[in-house]
Amino acid sequence: DVKVTQSSRYLVKRTGEKVFLECVQDMDHENMFWYRQDPGLGLRLIYFSYDVKMKEKGDIPEGYSVSREKKERFSLILESASTNQTSMYLCASSRPPADSEAFFGQGTRLTVV
Amino acid sequence: QKEVEQNSGPLSVPEGAIASLNCTYSDRVSQSFFWYRQYSGKSPELIMSIYSNGDKEDGRFTAQLNKASQYVSLLIRDSQPSDSATYLCAVSLYSGGGADGLTFGKGTHLIIQP
Repeated sequence: DVKVTQSSRYLVKRTGEKVFLECVQDMDHENMFWYRQDPGLGLRLIYFSYDVKMKEKGDIPEGYSVSREKKERFSLILESASTNQTSMYLCASSRPPADSEAFFGQGTRLTVV
Repeated sequence: QKEVEQNSGPLSVPEGAIASLNCTYSDRVSQSFFWYRQYSGKSPELIMSIYSNGDKEDGRFTAQLNKASQYVSLLIRDSQPSDSATYLCAVSLYSGGGADGLTFGKGTHLIIQP
């Protein structure tokens, strides 16, 4: 069964903190993605990765970075959390090519106070 | 600019009727098209994929693709209250050398009235 697991379902952090969101997939997928979802704005791509140690900027990378040291794990890092980063964060993975069907984790609801 | 457009709704349909959801996209070279269902507070779940012009049926769901018109739709027959959700259209959009993953529309909120 397809499985993408995000480390936290809910997270509350303070402004200025460094925040790590972890995502692990057990499907041996090459492609991994981080999206954020906000009311009225839909799903927006932050970063994606097609292989270990590689990363590509999506549509809204500012204020974020990522790490992919192992194939199954893709981490999203908020270097200095701000209140405008309060959102639902969704990790997804897929097989090649890049436009294959994506499978999502359960999401992390991050609140920055 | 990459764009995937959906009517946000809400779209209200009586139980047992056909629900019709529509999506238009901007990139003429898009190859892959998906419909996801998202219940409130949950993550998107893939329900249909379509790659060629025409219709593709899976149970009560039919996806329709018209690449010339840059239009993809989802029909849900015999609508049930459990179909009430937000439906996201996702399209592969390309820039430069290859696909940049999937671009999602903002979703259509569907309500099935018992």
